[in-house]
Amino acid sequence: ETGVTQSPTHLIKTRGQQVTLRCSSQSGHNTVSWYQQALGQGPQFIFQYYREEENGRGNFPPRFSGLQFPNYSSELNVNALELDDSALYLCASSSRLERETQYFGPGTRLLVL
Amino acid sequence: GIQVEQSPPDLILQEGANSTLRCNFSDSVNNLQWFHQNPWGQLINLFYIPSGTKQNGRLSATTVATERYSLLYISSSQTTDSGVYFCAASRNSGNTPLVFGKGTRLSVIA
Repeated sequence: ETGVTQSPTHLIKTRGQQVTLRCSSQSGHNTVSWYQQALGQGPQFIFQYYREEENGRGNFPPRFSGLQFPNYSSELNVNALELDDSALYLCASSSRLERETQYFGPGTRLLVL
Repeated sequence: GIQVEQSPPDLILQEGANSTLRCNFSDSVNNLQWFHQNPWGQLINLFYIPSGTKQNGRLSATTVATERYSLLYISSSQTTDSGVYFCAASRNSGNTPLVFGKGTRLSVIA
């Protein structure tokens, strides 16, 4: 158990819809990163939030957006869903005081039909 | 940016066998991690190892930073070791975004 939780665990949407995924970080962690993992691939970095501000972004279009709240939990929003958005979405929490590692949640599986 | 390559892509082992997984990275890194992804998708931290050697039970890892590769050793494999093993790296330490390889899919057969 990493202490990082995500909801929902599974989700089915149709093309064009919008989706919100949620992540609660591990206690004491102030940084949340989101990753997208397509089938058969390694996770790809979407963006990171530190103290409620976006702190780095990967190669994803603006319809991928996020929020971080004062308790350091985070949301990932995806607008105008496309079939290729079907993937496992992983959130990772970390602390800037800790050199070592990011701790991943169990993920949300999104299927876009 | 950093490129991370893993080999082999797939590996099938008899229970009790040993294996070595390799990770090559294209640039100097300050963060190198190994993960095991179980069949439910959970990424489990195995090692944070930007250099040197670490051991944890039947698993050990070695990173030779000057030659830009890392190795994960699994000894006396068990069926519960099955899953996908990922190597991930970043230039900076700590919580900077990780670049993942494509993984090695390990199947351990009883």
